Formats: sequence, C-alpha cells, structure tokens
Amino acid sequence: AQSVTQPDIHITVSEGASLELRCNYSYGATPYLFWYVQSPGQGLQLLLKYFSGDTLVQGIKGFEAEFKRSQSSFNLRKPSVHWSDAAEYFCAVGAGTNFGNEKLTFGTGTRLTIIP
Amino acid sequence: DGGITQSPKYLFRKEGQNVTLSCEQNLNHDAMYWYRQDPGQGLRLIYYSQIVNDFQKGDIAEGYSVSREKKESFPLTVTSAQKNPTAFYLCASSSGTPTSYNEQFFGPGTRLTVL
Repeated sequence: AQSVTQPDIHITVSEGASLELRCNYSYGATPYLFWYVQSPGQGLQLLLKYFSGDTLVQGIKGFEAEFKRSQSSFNLRKPSVHWSDAAEYFCAVGAGTNFGNEKLTFGTGTRLTIIP
Repeated sequence: DGGITQSPKYLFRKEGQNVTLSCEQNLNHDAMYWYRQDPGQGLRLIYYSQIVNDFQKGDIAEGYSVSREKKESFPLTVTSAQKNPTAFYLCASSSGTPTSYNEQFFGPGTRLTVL
C-alpha cells in the first residue's frame, strides 16, 4: 500500500525567504506525485504534478518540486515566499497505472505561516 | 465555467439524523471521490466511484453511503451510524486521461456540524 509522510506539521518563514516543504512517499513502483494547496475553509488547488520525465517540475505561483527516487522524496520549494502563500500544503501519491482514476493517498499536511 | 460544486457550504444537523451532501461536476469526469478532513489528519477517503453505477469503499466508509446514478452527481449520505460526523467534507473528480492520470479536482467543501 502507498503512503505519504509530511514530517513538518507547521512551518513559519519570513516574507521573502526561501521555502522547502518535505514529502516522503512509499510505493513499490513509479508513483504519480502531487502537491496541493488549501486556503482556510476552501477546497484544494493543484500546485504541480510529476508523472515521468524531468524530475524537476514547475508549478503555479512560482513553486517547483524535485522528484528524488533514491530518497523517495518529492519536496516542494519556492525561492521567495509572499504573504499570500500562507496556507496548508498537501503532498499526495497515486498508483502509476495505465488507466488513471486510481485513488490518491494524501499526507497529513504542512501549515505554512508567513511573518512580515 | 467547468468545475465542481458542493452544497450547502455549511450544514447543521441534530444528532441521530441522516444528512445528504451534494456534489455535482460538469467536467465530464468519469471518477468521483469523497474525502473527510479533520484537523491534523489530512484527507481520508470515504468512497470513490470510477464509473456510473459503481462505487468502492475507501478507508473510512463506515457510517456513510453513496450513490452514482448519473455521471455528474455523487451524493454522500452521513448516517446516524457515523459516530463522529462533524468534519469538513471534500468532493473531487478526475478524468483519467493520459495527460492527467490521477489528477483530482476539488470542490469548495461542506462543513458539517452535528449538534
């Protein structure tokens, strides 16, 4: 069974500082990996995804993530955070089948606080 | 605009009552999902449906029921058997196309409070 670990429950960074959110997954084959963001009381919005190919993927809002198979990691990064980035971030893993529509397994989330 | 709608946004019910949460999508997606979100626990899958008239239990299906009579609709009923129903409920859908395998699109959520 697949699983996802987000080791940081809460992270606080200063506006303009760089950010890295950690995600480790467990899955026997090549996974499909996702990062979603959630503002309070809202649904989830997809930031970026990895299926195959280039291990460094670019997403929306200036975010990027790097897939490292040897470390079973898919960490999310941003070079300079903005106050509007304050939210909860979820990493998710899906089975790499040919048919899609497989269920995703989500991590428990990392809450990001931005200080001026 | 295509998307997923959930209604109502806030729902209050008395203990012991069944309640049905609505989820509708106009994205022409085959698969739909229901998640429950509690503080510090992330998203937990309740039920999912990969095709009309078929659905499977997720990780926490006890006390919940669903139906999938139409492609666009996947209502969730929270029954009186659910011991702790107060939570934020999220509906999602996915298309399963080659360029978007497993990518799920989410609705805005329904916050259910049982008094």
